[in-house]
Amino acid sequence: SQELEQSPQSLIVQEGKNLTINCTSSKTLYGLYWYKQKYGEGLIFLMMLQKGGEEKSHEKITAKLDEKKQQSSLHITASQPSHAGIYLCGADWGSNYKLTFGKGTLLTVNP
Amino acid sequence: DAGVTQSPTHLIKTRGQQVTLRCSPKSGHDTVSWYQQALGQGPQFIFQYYEEEERQRGNFPDRFSGHQFPNYSSELNVNALLLGDSALYLCASSSQGKGNIQYFGAGTRLSVL
Repeated sequence: SQELEQSPQSLIVQEGKNLTINCTSSKTLYGLYWYKQKYGEGLIFLMMLQKGGEEKSHEKITAKLDEKKQQSSLHITASQPSHAGIYLCGADWGSNYKLTFGKGTLLTVNP
Repeated sequence: DAGVTQSPTHLIKTRGQQVTLRCSPKSGHDTVSWYQQALGQGPQFIFQYYEEEERQRGNFPDRFSGHQFPNYSSELNVNALLLGDSALYLCASSSQGKGNIQYFGAGTRLSVL
């Protein structure tokens, strides 16, 4: 069974709208990493969360990790076409080596 | 400051052949991880190299092997290619003690015919 679930699978929003992407882990996270990927290209690191209740922001993107360290959300405020792409969450469950990724959320922002 | 670089960008092989993919890590990084990403899926961990040794391996057969050189660059070798090996192969580099933040290259698109 999938140990890291992302929702929704895809999302279409109008430019200027806010949106949220969720990532749920089946077990306690040591670290949670958010990446963005343009189709067929490499992953761009966005943010890393490690502490329960932690929240980080970069420009118009905010990521949070819940207190139990099993769920994270990525929130984009006033979306722009440049935000379009695939958002992936990656879990570190304490191995300190590999990341396990969700299937990704495809975001389309219509101008 | 160059990021993670991978070569080649695209590759077409036939079943049964062997392939070698190359990766140069970001400056200052000493650890290289390889991932396979099938269409519509998230990347799957193949293995990680540190100090020229394979430190951890994902659920991939022995046909997948690797190497890390003294300058920290790395190669991924796949023998006896199958159609199912067609995917985007991503290399990521990181530095020990820096929160395991992995920085990815643009990938090598492998097509097996």
